Amino acid sequence: DAGVIQSPRHEVTEMGQEVTLRCKPISGHNSLFWYRQTMMRGLELLIYFNNNVPIDDSGMPEDRFSAKMPNASFSTLKIQPSEPRDSAVYFCASRRTSGYGYTFGSGTRLTVV
Amino acid sequence: AQRVTQPEKLLSVFKGAPVELKCNYSYSGSPELFWYVQYSRQRLQLLLRHISRESIKGFTADLNKGETSFHLKKPFAQEEDSAMYYCALSPYNQGGKLIFGQGTELSVKP
Repeated sequence: DAGVIQSPRHEVTEMGQEVTLRCKPISGHNSLFWYRQTMMRGLELLIYFNNNVPIDDSGMPEDRFSAKMPNASFSTLKIQPSEPRDSAVYFCASRRTSGYGYTFGSGTRLTVV
Repeated sequence: AQRVTQPEKLLSVFKGAPVELKCNYSYSGSPELFWYVQYSRQRLQLLLRHISRESIKGFTADLNKGETSFHLKKPFAQEEDSAMYYCALSPYNQGGKLIFGQGTELSVKP
């Protein structure tokens, strides 16, 4: 199993541009989580899905952020328009609903200039 | 409020010295607590889960409900233990989401 796969690994974009981050969870895992990691705020939960359905998006900072999970093997996190303060490492993680441990992806390091 | 606090941003020790990474939590029910580790430029990995009461890589953590703490300990630190350590709480019946502390960077000097 290749684990949780995120793409791209690094993204540098200009302020105002649309950014799309992608995640492929582990096959058979039915819960998916998006986290953001910054020096100031540490790891923050943005949104999570159970069986492709968004359950809690209270951590999504603004309407500029949106996330989708069209099927069990793919999720996207979109920022439109991006701003410099969105610069962070974005992690995706998945787990079985009946399990306890997350498997994290390698993260996407986003830099908005 | 559900909160995890790791009071130390950086902990620096010498190889062979004991290590204790502090974690305190705020939660009204019975918590499920974890320690995650992130080695340099790698993904977060589960280190310990309080229910299993296991020892991984020489690390242990005991849940103290009276002090609402879940400190991570190792009697003799190794250089390869240098990493970021995150304490996390999973609230009951909230879909398995994790609330993380701010993290503590452990630096083990030779």
